[in-house]
Amino acid sequence: AQKITQTQPGMFVQEKEAVTLDCTYDTSDPSYGLFWYKQPSSGEMIFLIYQGSYDQQNATEGRYSLNFQKARKSANLVISASQLGDSAMYFCAMREGSRDDKIIFGKGTRLHILP
Amino acid sequence: DAGVTQSPTHLIKTRGQHVTLRCSPISGHKSVSWYQQVLGQGPQFIFQYYEKEERGRGNFPDRFSARQFPNYSSELNVNALLLGDSALYLCASSVLAGLYEQYFGPGTRLTVT
Repeated sequence: AQKITQTQPGMFVQEKEAVTLDCTYDTSDPSYGLFWYKQPSSGEMIFLIYQGSYDQQNATEGRYSLNFQKARKSANLVISASQLGDSAMYFCAMREGSRDDKIIFGKGTRLHILP
Repeated sequence: DAGVTQSPTHLIKTRGQHVTLRCSPISGHKSVSWYQQVLGQGPQFIFQYYEKEERGRGNFPDRFSARQFPNYSSELNVNALLLGDSALYLCASSVLAGLYEQYFGPGTRLTVT
């Protein structure tokens, strides 16, 4: 079974609009972390935001927020006021437990911001 | 401060050859992880090394091996290359094992012909 599911292969959004990228996850470990990474065409993986399974509040980092719905096993990324530079591949990822750094990635969503 | 660096940037090899990829973590980071990203897919975990010891291994054949040096830099070795090994190989470092923030390097693009 897929551990991380991103159902939107591609999205087109008008500049300055908000965008939500969907992510669902599957784990039986009570301790886990959820990540979002941005990968521009250059290939480098850029860390955006993190949510721990025990965190009570939804994580926010500038224009990025993570809509964490634990019961639904959902961790959607919300980007407010999108910019042309937001055009990239976005990956949702999960780390189970806290012993090692193994991160499981989804297949990604390609986001296109239109001027 | 310099970020994670990887070398070479690009590499072309033929089937059956051997390849060595190198990674230098951010200064002060002791944990290095390797990922393989095939075109159109998300990265897949290959190895993690912390304090020169293997801490985690993904579902990759024994043709893949790695090591970490006393200065915390790392090498990923792949023997008997197959066409399917063509991918972007990403290295990530973190201060300690298990901390949430991993910083990725720009990757090495390996093409096997």
